[in-house]
Amino acid sequence: DQQVKQNSPSLSVQEGRISILNCDYTNSMFDYFLWYKKYPAEGPTFLISISSIKDKNEDGRFTVFLNKSAKHLSLHIVPSQPGDSAVYFCAATMTTDSWGKLQFGAGTQVVVTP
Amino acid sequence: DAGVIQSPRHEVTEMGQEVTLRCKPISGHDYLFWYRQTMMRGLELLIYFNNNVPIDDSGMPEDRFSAKMPNASFSTLKIQPSEPRDSAVYFCASSSASGRVIVYNEQFFGPGTRLTVL
Repeated sequence: DQQVKQNSPSLSVQEGRISILNCDYTNSMFDYFLWYKKYPAEGPTFLISISSIKDKNEDGRFTVFLNKSAKHLSLHIVPSQPGDSAVYFCAATMTTDSWGKLQFGAGTQVVVTP
Repeated sequence: DAGVIQSPRHEVTEMGQEVTLRCKPISGHDYLFWYRQTMMRGLELLIYFNNNVPIDDSGMPEDRFSAKMPNASFSTLKIQPSEPRDSAVYFCASSSASGRVIVYNEQFFGPGTRLTVL
């Protein structure tokens, strides 16, 4: 069963506009969340993370928002740039569990058009 | 640091053949993970090791899959016999739970092996 869901397989956005990627989870024990970015023919690379004690974390053009009551998080990219075109994976883990297990979503393909 | 190294990058084989995928984790990392990426299921964790010992193999789909980590710098994922439904991209990742951890459970991925079983 998919405990982390990214229901939008793809997203197209114009350069300079905001990209909003959504992620839902079902396991209330998850308390730490990560976003990974993946380019073709490369492995995923870490982008940004958030702990459940926060509701927002910002790093440059990337901001992640966490709504624990809704079991929902989102990644905002502002402004979007052509280099942001990639697949974005949402991942979740339990810091109370043994180190190691990340549950990933299926990914969202972002295409930024000029 | 060279990062996580995987070989081969591409593998094409026929159904029934044995396939071996290889991984060299980042030096000093004590955790190693094997993932499979498919369109339908995204990134699935197959198995992971801590200090060369398998910790959780509940994601390994069938007995046809096996993984070993004979030492801290090398791991293999073997499929025998391979089937067309095994076609996917297989990623190896490593992480460290000791030392200066900035991001909890940040895992570093290799470039993947694209497996095609005909």
